[in-house]
Amino acid sequence: ETGVTQSPTHLIKTRGQQVTLRCSSQSGHNTVSWYQQALGQGPQFIFQYYREEENGRGNFPPRFSGLQFPNYSSELNVNALELDDSALYLCASSLQGVLNTEAFFGQGTRLTVV
Amino acid sequence: AQSVTQLDSQVPVFEEAPVELRCNYSSSVSVYLFWYVQYPNQGLQLLLKYLSGSTLVKGINGFEAEFNKSQTSFHLRKPSVHISDTAEYFCAAITGTASKLTFGTGTRLQVTL
Repeated sequence: ETGVTQSPTHLIKTRGQQVTLRCSSQSGHNTVSWYQQALGQGPQFIFQYYREEENGRGNFPPRFSGLQFPNYSSELNVNALELDDSALYLCASSLQGVLNTEAFFGQGTRLTVV
Repeated sequence: AQSVTQLDSQVPVFEEAPVELRCNYSSSVSVYLFWYVQYPNQGLQLLLKYLSGSTLVKGINGFEAEFNKSQTSFHLRKPSVHISDTAEYFCAAITGTASKLTFGTGTRLQVTL
């Protein structure tokens, strides 16, 4: 079991609504990355936060946004939810600049948009 | 842009049989390669990684993988699987100085008696 915790574990939202997902990173890690995993697919990189700044972004629209706090925990916000946003959202914490360290993943938040 | 291809979406195998899960990558720059396992309703767990050095990498749970630069492959192997190895396996890559992981589409390993 990793030290990365995500909340909530499951969530149901209506199309058009907004959602906030949370992630507490592994102790000692300063970087959080978010991934979207649609059913039957591999995880897709959304963005990464390092020391409270966005540090890379994948091919996701601006309605996907995030924050990282001084304690390195992070939030993923999605506005104007669409049906295709239904997926497992994973966060991973790591130590920036040290490739030998493992990225630890949380158990994910299962978001269903109806 | 780099990409990771997992050639088999599903691999059925009997318990105690050997297994190989295939992964190919495309990258013109230095690449770091990973295999992750995902059990039902769980996050991802790192099995093994190749950063540099020996091309044969040993990981947890008896898995190993071989980095083959000429064939741009990083296939995962286990000589004898158990029922508990039933899971989804993802190959992933990092290139250059970026730290984002690019994942393949996954291979479902189904172990039966």
